[in-house]
Amino acid sequence: DQQVKQNSPSLSVQEGRISILNCDYTNSMFDYFLWYKKYPAEGPTFLISISSIKDKNEDGRFTVFLNKSAKHLSLHIVPSQPGDSAVYFCAASSSNNNDMRFGAGTRLTVKP
Amino acid sequence: DTGVSQDPRHKITKRGQNVTFRCDPISEHNRLYWYRQTLGQGPEFLTYFQNEAQLEKSRLLSDRFSAERPKGSFSTLEIQRTEQGDSAMYLCASSLAVLPTDTQYFGPGTRLTVL
Repeated sequence: DQQVKQNSPSLSVQEGRISILNCDYTNSMFDYFLWYKKYPAEGPTFLISISSIKDKNEDGRFTVFLNKSAKHLSLHIVPSQPGDSAVYFCAASSSNNNDMRFGAGTRLTVKP
Repeated sequence: DTGVSQDPRHKITKRGQNVTFRCDPISEHNRLYWYRQTLGQGPEFLTYFQNEAQLEKSRLLSDRFSAERPKGSFSTLEIQRTEQGDSAMYLCASSLAVLPTDTQYFGPGTRLTVL
């Protein structure tokens, strides 16, 4: 059961422009959402998170937006840099259990 | 380096053999998680420990899989009688379990290839 979905397997943007990665979820019990970045041959690296009590969290070039009514979150990267090229995973968890669910990932390519 | 470490990074084995992986979490973290990741998919939860207690297991964890965390520090994941379908990246993560925001930090993973 795919409770977390990333419908875009890939995204290509020009350096300096905004990258927007999207994620949808189905389980209304999820109350904590995270984005991880993954380079080849490495484990996922934590990037940014948001609690369900917020609708926006910003950290430098990275901003995560949460729309609870739509069960949708997005990651904005601005300005995008070639070093941002990686696979980005959306993840969600519930404080009632510890089964963190991941999306299938979106491969971001930032072209110089 | 005080991050999560995993050993070995790569393991190639023949079908039917047993394999064991080790994970060393971030030292002050009390929770330790195991995930499996196959090509084109996100990590799938297998099991987790709070200190030395194994508190949850996924239905993905068949009887051939066993995990331990004997002293609440490092953990091992053993797969007995490996099958080709076990070929995957096995990821370990740890966290401080500060609910409700429990951020997990991942190790580099162990890539298993079963021939």
